[in-house]
Amino acid sequence: EAQVTQNPRYLITVTGKKLTVTCSQNMNHEYMSWYRQDPGLGLRQIYYSMNVEVTDKGDVPEGYKVSRKEKRNFPLILESPSPNQTSLYFCATATGVSYEQYFGPGTRLTVT
Amino acid sequence: GDSVTQMEGPVTLSEEAFLTINCTYTATGYPSLFWYVQYPGEGLQLLLKATKADDKGSNKGFEATYRKETTSFHLEKGSVQVSDSAVYFCALSWRYGGSQGNLIFGKGTKLSVKP
Repeated sequence: EAQVTQNPRYLITVTGKKLTVTCSQNMNHEYMSWYRQDPGLGLRQIYYSMNVEVTDKGDVPEGYKVSRKEKRNFPLILESPSPNQTSLYFCATATGVSYEQYFGPGTRLTVT
Repeated sequence: GDSVTQMEGPVTLSEEAFLTINCTYTATGYPSLFWYVQYPGEGLQLLLKATKADDKGSNKGFEATYRKETTSFHLEKGSVQVSDSAVYFCALSWRYGGSQGNLIFGKGTKLSVKP
């Protein structure tokens, strides 16, 4: 079954404590992306990757890092989380042809 | 820059009512257009898409037509059901160029359908 998985699904943490949200896909897609969803703002892109070892900033990259060392994984790293990063995060993947994106189930992050 | 504007919600309808959610875009050229749906507690799912002018996307009774004259991609359904209650997002992306694949979303429209 084609899947995009994210872990953890829910996380409550404290300011400054480094965390990683994992994203994994089994569809062999080249393109992967991270979004955050906030009330009244819709979804905004954080980072994206066109392929292994190729990453680029989206609209709201500040405070986040990513890496793409293998095709199936695209972790999102918050090295020093702050309360304004409390949000619902989605990972998405797509082929390099149609760019029809498939979304993971989301990770709800709360930073206190 | 490119942007997507969709009607503010929430929208509340009775079962079997006609649904229209308006979506307009601003872009240089002709992007691909999408409607995504987010059911409560879930991620986004692609509902339908259109990749060129005058294309009509359709799925699950929903339709939207890519109108380049009005730069619009309005979502319609003739008879909504309670199970259609969700948040609907209009989005655009490019198949080519420096930002290919990146989705630009509208802010979403919450639909509630009452029995």
